[in-house]
Amino acid sequence: QSVLTQPPSASGTPGQRVTISCSGSSSNIGSNTVNWYQQLPGTAPKLLIYSNYQRPSGVPDRFSGSKSGTSASLAISGLQSEDEADYYCATWDDSLNGWVFGGGTKLTVL
Amino acid sequence: EVQLVESGGGLVQPGRSLRLSCAASGFTFDDYAMHWVRQAPGKGLEWVSGISWNSGNIGYADSVKGRFTISRDNAKNSLYLQINSLRAEDTALYFCAKDKGYNWNENYFDYWGQGTLVTVSS
Repeated sequence: QSVLTQPPSASGTPGQRVTISCSGSSSNIGSNTVNWYQQLPGTAPKLLIYSNYQRPSGVPDRFSGSKSGTSASLAISGLQSEDEADYYCATWDDSLNGWVFGGGTKLTVL
Repeated sequence: EVQLVESGGGLVQPGRSLRLSCAASGFTFDDYAMHWVRQAPGKGLEWVSGISWNSGNIGYADSVKGRFTISRDNAKNSLYLQINSLRAEDTALYFCAKDKGYNWNENYFDYWGQGTLVTVSS
């Protein structure tokens, strides 16, 4: 069982806005920044959002991140078929003294 | 262009050892911390270990502490993971990942390799 909790699946139709949640605790999300990774089928993970809401160059502004208390969210607007992937949240955990990931959310574009 | 290429995976019997390697290029290797992250078949991501730019600070997940050893050779732009006493639950795709900063416990993973598959089975 993962330290960070994500819904196992999410879905939306093209053009729609979807949100993926990531729930943690005071020792991880509550006191550290959150990063999001996108893993397209059969490929390596790719950094999508860092430091809660920052986007690396090349990541479309359709992707946005936010954090409040011990939870974080990834929002994808204007959903496209190529967004179909697994999405993982991650952060540092002060109690475990290590990096922790969410269990991942499989996004399906209907 | 940042490139991370892992190697050394394969089919190994339980109890044996294996050494994974990651060859880095496209950036100044000794300016950055590095990590190993694994993904069991059909499962999520699990951070395994991190090492600072100069090997002065190292960390491991509790699940691998005592059996895994991370190291780096800055002269060869290479990262390593020595895995001893392999177990079935170590079966996974092992990714090498670059950190954004000098230390492994501060920033985030900004580039990932394609991974090397380790299968533990008799």
